[in-house]
Amino acid sequence: KAGVTQTPRYLIKTRGQQVTLSCSPISGHRSVSWYQQTPGQGLQFLFEYFSETQRNKGNFPGRFSGRQFSNSRSEMNVSTLELGDSALYLCASSPADRAYNEQFFGPGTRLTVL
Amino acid sequence: EDKVVQSPLSLVVHEGDTVTLNCSYEVTNFRSLLWYKQEKKAPTFLFMLTSSGIEKKSGRLSSILDKKELFSILNITATQTGDSAVYLCAVHTGNQFYFGTGTSLTVIP
Repeated sequence: KAGVTQTPRYLIKTRGQQVTLSCSPISGHRSVSWYQQTPGQGLQFLFEYFSETQRNKGNFPGRFSGRQFSNSRSEMNVSTLELGDSALYLCASSPADRAYNEQFFGPGTRLTVL
Repeated sequence: EDKVVQSPLSLVVHEGDTVTLNCSYEVTNFRSLLWYKQEKKAPTFLFMLTSSGIEKKSGRLSSILDKKELFSILNITATQTGDSAVYLCAVHTGNQFYFGTGTSLTVIP
């Protein structure tokens, strides 16, 4: 089975721009979660999607949004980029109806905001 | 506020040593605790623990959960240079995973 894939792998943007990141989960996985990883804060939960519905949301501003398509692929959008948004964005998929089981992580998208 | 705290923050050991990594948590609704290993890429799954006192073991790695005292430990015996990584602990509350900031382990030959 192919693993979780994320595109693009690297991205450089300037402040004020917006960005869309994509995640394809492992085939058959319906739960997709997004995380932001920074050296100072570690891994922080952004949101989780299950069957095209946002099921849970972390404590991030509304500039961070996402969606999930019928094939379980998910996209994350960040609008009005700020310098502090520079981070590794990880996507994880889970085979279970509830995502408290094992999550499989993708390689991440490294976003740099200049 | 739900939180997960890992200790130590970093550790340097020699090959062959045994290490113990700690993860304590304070969450309102515990569902599971997971350990991950992260090298210069995505975290990879090690163990999932849901019940107290039951040791999970995989080769030289083992982990146990104490739900009464709200902590878990990850043991690595006979460490090898390939064990060098950041080890992450995550607790699921029914809504989301809360991750600790990780323990950075460096194994010197």
